[in-house]
Formats: sequence, structure tokens, C-alpha cells
Amino acid sequence: DADVTQTPRNRITKTGKRIMLECSQTKGHDRMYWYRQDPGLGLRLIYYSFDVKDINKGEISDGYSVSRQAQAKFSLSLESAIPNQTALYFCATAAGGAYEQYFGPGTRLTVT
Amino acid sequence: AQSVTQLGSHVSVSEGALVLLRCNYSSSVPPYLFWYVQYPNQGLQLLLKYTTGATLVKGINGFEAEFKKSETSFHLTKPSAHMSDAAEYFCAVSYSGNTPLVFGKGTRLSVIA
Repeated sequence: DADVTQTPRNRITKTGKRIMLECSQTKGHDRMYWYRQDPGLGLRLIYYSFDVKDINKGEISDGYSVSRQAQAKFSLSLESAIPNQTALYFCATAAGGAYEQYFGPGTRLTVT
Repeated sequence: AQSVTQLGSHVSVSEGALVLLRCNYSSSVPPYLFWYVQYPNQGLQLLLKYTTGATLVKGINGFEAEFKKSETSFHLTKPSAHMSDAAEYFCAVSYSGNTPLVFGKGTRLSVIA
């Protein structure tokens, strides 16, 4: 079984809808991250969390919110989706004090 | 602010040829450097990393990278390209265990038969 899972893997939604992307991990890591990937722009950090009570904004947090429900779960919400939020979204985890991050398979989101 | 520059958004090589993907970082303090690979329709996989110690780092699938402080570079190489190396490659940097990685924009590698 995969260490970092994301659901759904693909989602098409309409402008203005609320949508939640979920991430779960079995690696036992404290730290979790949400990135979005756009062609030619690489990965940009949306939010990150170092433990259940710690939430930090990343480079592009506007229009997004997160919830760290447990050490193993970190959800990303789009309160009112807009077309320029169409992208590939990745969840990642890292052990406390470590540097490398481990990525989930991604969620492809399309907002029409 | 931390930044990473990957020179060339697309690199094309022939099968069996040398692969060279370039990465430069901005820093006044020692960085921790990473290369990740993304195969089509998959997440990112750690290829190799430099934290401390030996500046020539070997990774998976025959790739290696050399940290050159004087050039602020961490270029990725492989002596002989294989068709299965076709993927997108990302260079990333961090300056402490408490800061998230900052990624470059990526380089797409194509391998021609």
C-alpha cells in the first residue's frame, strides 16, 4: 500500500463549488504539505503543517484553506472554486527535523 | 529569499548520450539540495540529496549530482541516457529542517531512440 494517499485522484467541478481534497499518510511523519503544480511553474507551496496544532501559509494560500484532523490526515479545501485553480495538487510529508519530503500521487482538479 | 533556477525547461538527448540537467540556487548559507523525478501521471520521487559531507552524491537509476559551492550549482548527470529516463526533473533547496523545500520550475527530459 502507498505511504501517502490522496483522494480523489481526479475531480471536475464547477465554478463556485466547494471542494475538499484529502491526504492520508502511514509514514508516521509529523509534517505535511500541500503544493500545486502548473505547467512551466513547477511546484508552489499552498499550506504546510508541522503538527496537528500548527498550520502555516505558503506562497499561494489565497483561495485555499486546510485542516489537520490528525497526525495522519491533512485536507485542502477550495471554498469557492475558480477556473484558475485548475491544476495538479500534491500532498507531501516529512519527518520532523528531516529535509526530504515524500509525495502522494496527486489529484488532478479541473474547474469549469 | 531562497530560490532555485533550472536552466532549460526542456532537454532532449539521444539514447546512450550524456544527460546534464542544470540547477543553480541562491544562498549565503549552506543549503540542502535535492533532485526529484516525476514520471508521467505519477507523484514526485526523490532521486538524490545533498545535506553534508561528500559533494558528489549518487542517486537511484545511475544519476549523480555534484554540489559546487563556488558556483552555487547542483547539476544532475547520467553518463548514458535510457528511454525510461524520460520524465520531468525538479531541483529543490532548503536551508534548515524547519523550512519547506523550494522547487525550481522543472526540466522535462526527452530521450530519443
